[in-house]
Amino acid sequence: DAGVTQSPTHLIKTRGQHVTLRCSPISGHKSVSWYQQVLGQGPQFIFQYYEKEERGRGNFPDRFSARQFPNYSSELNVNALLLGDSALYLCASSLVRTDTQYFGPGTRLTVL
Amino acid sequence: DQQVKQNSPSLSVQEGRISILNCDYTNSMFDYFLWYKKYPAEGPTFLISISSIKDKNEDGRFTVFLNKSAKHLSLHIVPSQPGDSAVYFCAAFKGTGFQKLVFGTGTRLLVSP
Repeated sequence: DAGVTQSPTHLIKTRGQHVTLRCSPISGHKSVSWYQQVLGQGPQFIFQYYEKEERGRGNFPDRFSARQFPNYSSELNVNALLLGDSALYLCASSLVRTDTQYFGPGTRLTVL
Repeated sequence: DQQVKQNSPSLSVQEGRISILNCDYTNSMFDYFLWYKKYPAEGPTFLISISSIKDKNEDGRFTVFLNKSAKHLSLHIVPSQPGDSAVYFCAAFKGTGFQKLVFGTGTRLLVSP
């Protein structure tokens, strides 16, 4: 079975631009979570979506937004990019919102 | 406010010996604890978890111990293999509502032949 997939793998943007990252969960999983991992740190929780609704939000500014589609895939959007947004963005899926989370390979975002 | 701490950034162990990775937490509301392994250019891979009502959980070569009074957990890998070389993250969450995983900063394990 396919695991969590994310696209693109790598992305380079400049300050002020907008970016959209995509995630497809494991088949049958209804919950998707997003995490940001800055170099040298552990992943930081951004959002959790379950059944297409936002169920939890971490301590990130309103420039970060996300949505979940009827097929349970998800998008993470970041507006007005800052240099500090450079990070590995990880998507994780789980059967339900309190189940074990399985991570995708991540999208490496570089903001110049 | 680092609620989950891994104070050892790196650990080197010889193949066949035991690897012990440690993790401390400050939030007594955490109900579940997990260990993830991460190779370069890959996402974290789930290894093993433990509920706060238990003090030990085993899965093959991996055992997690939880000491609630000390707010400390550890991952034991026996015997260690070169393929275990990776960054190990400890994570925790409260069991109600949505699952917001709180991660430590990771420990890089190097198992040498």
